[in-house]
Amino acid sequence: GAGVSQSPSNKVTEKGKDVELRCDPISGHTALYWYRQSLGQGLEFLIYFQGNSAPDKSGLPSDRFSAERTGGSVSTLTIQRTQQEDSAVYLCASAGLAGLYNEQFFGPGTRLTVL
Amino acid sequence: GENVEQHPSTLSVQEGDSAVIKCTYSDSASNYFPWYKQELGKGPQLIIDIRSNVGEKKDQRIAVTLNKTAKHFSLHITETQPEDSAVYFCAASTTLAGGTSYGKLTFGQGTILTVHP
Repeated sequence: GAGVSQSPSNKVTEKGKDVELRCDPISGHTALYWYRQSLGQGLEFLIYFQGNSAPDKSGLPSDRFSAERTGGSVSTLTIQRTQQEDSAVYLCASAGLAGLYNEQFFGPGTRLTVL
Repeated sequence: GENVEQHPSTLSVQEGDSAVIKCTYSDSASNYFPWYKQELGKGPQLIIDIRSNVGEKKDQRIAVTLNKTAKHFSLHITETQPEDSAVYFCAASTTLAGGTSYGKLTFGQGTILTVHP
């Protein structure tokens, strides 16, 4: 079956522009996570959606970052007025049905470069 | 919040040798500890995980140990092969309300493992 997909795979933008990154989770997965991976660094948690619950936004680095998840499936991470320090790989993960010990399955990531 | 420290940052071994990566965590409430392997240009893939009700878990050449008292856990790879070369991440998480699902992962900084033929 299909895994987690992300688009675009690469995004180059100019400082100050807005960008939207998309994540298609595994069908049926109720949990969805966004992480950021800077060059040579570990993964930094950004935001977490679980079913219809209010998202955990505790990892968003500033109010320029926002995310939504429509219909409990596809998610979009939006970065407004991009800065050079936003350059990183943005990874999305989804996890299985509520009620099960749910490992997170990661997508391939979107590499964002802010010039 | 949780803090996970991972060592070493780089590890170089000869094919056939063993490799050990260690992690410590700070939050005693953490009870789920996965290990991910990330190859170049790809997202991390789960290779093994351990929950706090066990002290060791094995899967072929890979094993993970957990010491909850000391708050550390380790990944052991035996008989390493060149295809084991990748970045390895440890992580920690806690169960959500209800007790059967896990929340956000806190990751270590990663270990670049190189296995020389």
